[in-house]
Amino acid sequence: GAVVSQHPSRVICKSGTSVKIECRSLDFQATTMFWYRQFPKQSLMLMATSNEGSKATYEQGVEKDKFLINHASLTLSTLTVTSAHPEDSSFYICSARASRAYEQYFGPGTRLTVT
Amino acid sequence: QKEVEQNSGPLSVPEGAIASLNCTYSDRVSQSFFWYRQYSGKSPELIMSIYSNGDKEDGRFTAQLNKASQYVSLLIRDSQPSDSATYLCAVKEAGTALIFGKGTTLSVSS
Repeated sequence: GAVVSQHPSRVICKSGTSVKIECRSLDFQATTMFWYRQFPKQSLMLMATSNEGSKATYEQGVEKDKFLINHASLTLSTLTVTSAHPEDSSFYICSARASRAYEQYFGPGTRLTVT
Repeated sequence: QKEVEQNSGPLSVPEGAIASLNCTYSDRVSQSFFWYRQYSGKSPELIMSIYSNGDKEDGRFTAQLNKASQYVSLLIRDSQPSDSATYLCAVKEAGTALIFGKGTTLSVSS
């Protein structure tokens, strides 16, 4: 149980374009989903927390107009990187947590390369 | 600022030995504690959770928690080369997201 999927697993896009990443909880209802970014050999950085049906809460320094998060259902959250630039190239990982649960389960991640 | 501290390593142990990974945290009100394993290029995988003082065993893994000392550890018995990965300690208090340490890299040599 507790499976989280992400799509796509890898994406290459041109500078200035937008990319959407999907995160799905496959066998549980995720009232809260989290989006992280990880640069090579660095630790996970929390970008934002989203609760189903409400606006995401962004961490300090994360541009909410650049990283659009939608958590429209209990099993799906999306992250859209708008007007991507090469410095946005990173490993984006979502995680999900069920209501009244403590454990967070991670998706397999999406490797974004902006050229 | 709430912090979770881990020795970055690398921690090197021979195959079959016990690997001991340690973590300290700054916030006394933290309630939940987790160990994740992350292989290079992959996302973190939850391997242990612990909520009360003492030991919790799951197969070759034992998590130990001491809230008075703000310390949590992970022991891996009979270490295998496949255990070679980065181990992330994560701490949570009610209503908040996990706070991760920077991870300890474990290398198990055959």
